[in-house]
Amino acid sequence: GAVVSQHPSRVICKSGTSVKIECRSLDFQATTMFWYRQFPKKSLMLMATSNEGSKATYEQGVEKDKFLINHASLTLSTLTVTSAHPEDSSFYICSARVLAGGISGQYFGPGTRLTVT
Amino acid sequence: DQQVKQNSPSLSVQEGRISILNCDYTNSMFDYFLWYKKYPAEGPTFLISISSIKDKNEDGRFTVFLNKSAKHLSLHIVPSQPGDSAVYFCAASSSGGGADGLTFGKGTHLIIQP
Repeated sequence: GAVVSQHPSRVICKSGTSVKIECRSLDFQATTMFWYRQFPKKSLMLMATSNEGSKATYEQGVEKDKFLINHASLTLSTLTVTSAHPEDSSFYICSARVLAGGISGQYFGPGTRLTVT
Repeated sequence: DQQVKQNSPSLSVQEGRISILNCDYTNSMFDYFLWYKKYPAEGPTFLISISSIKDKNEDGRFTVFLNKSAKHLSLHIVPSQPGDSAVYFCAASSSGGGADGLTFGKGTHLIIQP
């Protein structure tokens, strides 16, 4: 199946700094990627839809100026958490859309654990 | 407002028996449903899906049943194996056959006991 990678797998940063998380589709092109966030013992919450070459679409309640998304190529989307605060600590997961060969769906990356101290 | 609900946080099943995980939804616009398996600190792994035009889909040990009138779906795993122990998420989509942003339930932690 299709492979999606994320980097880094875990990151610790100080409050007030910015952190960039990369999401890559390794063996296929993804015009659309999604960013989710999971709090402990909670469901995955869709944050935004990342479209290659255009602006991301954010879900209600997600600050677009805080969570910057860039989808500069067909295999890479980045999420930058700006001016991070402890409440931004979470597990961030990306997925890439697959729509080819009669297959539709999403393949998920392994996630990135962000801890803001 | 939780549009996809998994009311059982955990479920314990003996190895070899059937595991039944339940999921309810409230949004009648949902037309595609998916089940994912997730281990701690990993991304979800796709298991099986079902379109709203069907009421059953089977793939090996996994079967998903959809009852549209009740807005309820269930995942059956038989026989259950130790490797099935994980958190199972039910997810729904209102367009794109699961290729659009998904709405997830809170998950059910399945524990298979030897």
